[in-house]
Amino acid sequence: GAVVSQHPSWVICKSGTSVKIECRSLDFQATTMFWYRQFPKQSLMLMATSNEGSKATYEQGVEKDKFLINHASLTLSTLTVTSAHPEDSSFYICSARDGQLLHGYTFGSGTRLTVV
Amino acid sequence: QKEVEQNSGPLSVPEGAIASLNCTYSDRGSQSFFWYRQYSGKSPELIMFIYSNGDKEDGRFTAQLNKASQYVSLLIRDSQPSDSATYLCAAPETGNQFYFGTGTSLTVIP
Repeated sequence: GAVVSQHPSWVICKSGTSVKIECRSLDFQATTMFWYRQFPKQSLMLMATSNEGSKATYEQGVEKDKFLINHASLTLSTLTVTSAHPEDSSFYICSARDGQLLHGYTFGSGTRLTVV
Repeated sequence: QKEVEQNSGPLSVPEGAIASLNCTYSDRGSQSFFWYRQYSGKSPELIMFIYSNGDKEDGRFTAQLNKASQYVSLLIRDSQPSDSATYLCAAPETGNQFYFGTGTSLTVIP
């Protein structure tokens, strides 16, 4: 089946630093990547949708200059949290779909970000 | 976020009973619907998806879709303690976004 590899699985960083999270589709081409954030006991909130080779579409209220998304290839998308603050501490999850939806929407294993 | 609503829960059922999870959506253009299970601290895992009106069965799970009523449900028969998790429904929007419902927490009591 389709696999999306997400790294790192957890990261602790100091306030003010930047953190990059990677998601790779291992056995299919991900034409679209979704990035979600999930706070404890809450549902997944879509942050942005990115299509390979084009700019990401951010959801209302998500700062595009703070959460930089790059989807430079059909197998790799990255989310960079810039100048992280404690309130950015959350569970970040990517999801990918292939162009023909043969593999549905496949999720990465998530990244637990803690900003101290 | 577009509207994908789920019955709020939490839902508790005894082991062996049927658990019923419900979801409504607002985008009439949505063509497919997905049910995911999420254990605490883990990412969602796909249970099943449904495209057509009616029922779709997969083992102990049955998804039901009613496009006229914009309603999709998931039935879990013979519930097991291992089914205890948060269940999320999701619907791709016509603009290609993929939104999740708020989730329903299910506890199966042994």
